Amino acid sequence: DAGITQSPRHKVTETGTPVTLRCHQTENHRYMYWYRQDPGHGLRLIHYSYGVKDTDKGEVSDGYSVSRSKTEDFLLTLESATSSQTSVYFCAISEGQPNEKLFFGSGTQLSVL
Amino acid sequence: GESVGLHLPTLSVQEGDNSIINCAYSNSASDYFIWYKQESGKGPQFIIDIRSNMDKRQGQRVTVLLNKTVKHLSLQIAATQPGDSAVYFCAENRRSGYSTLTFGKGTMLLVSP
Repeated sequence: DAGITQSPRHKVTETGTPVTLRCHQTENHRYMYWYRQDPGHGLRLIHYSYGVKDTDKGEVSDGYSVSRSKTEDFLLTLESATSSQTSVYFCAISEGQPNEKLFFGSGTQLSVL
Repeated sequence: GESVGLHLPTLSVQEGDNSIINCAYSNSASDYFIWYKQESGKGPQFIIDIRSNMDKRQGQRVTVLLNKTVKHLSLQIAATQPGDSAVYFCAENRRSGYSTLTFGKGTMLLVSP
């Protein structure tokens, strides 16, 4: 998957607990993105990053925060997980122009009970 | 075409047939389009992209056609193989002040041997 590693691959957690998902890339690409995928919806952008310490909100950012302290790592944190955040989360990377030719990781299946 | 509810539209073909998967996009300001393939339990895989200054682009066994007049995008897969069975979805990059990549919900392609 284009040198992208997401961890964990699966996680079950309880409502109200904090959760951090990690995306690690070995491609040295500038742009990184977090998406969620739910039945009945296309991929929806949560947050994105245009470089180290340069992040911004996407379409569905409420309840999520991100950090990018190194080019290769982009962390997604659910401060207090809710059942509506049960989803499959994908990290993506791209180079060149933002929002062009994104390459995706294998995803994290998160269940919030 | 793209789905409206939880059930994806499905295209069933025989091995060796040519497949055509369609996508309608909504924003005439979109100037960049991507096709992705997603197999069950995996992340989306980049297939091919096209800019709005082109009508057609070919890759290995795939062709993307863009009709800006009717805002329609299609993916043609030649000599479809069982390994092509997956969900295919398009994405459009809407440049209205800032860049936003919007994903469709997808079409399921089923290839019978």
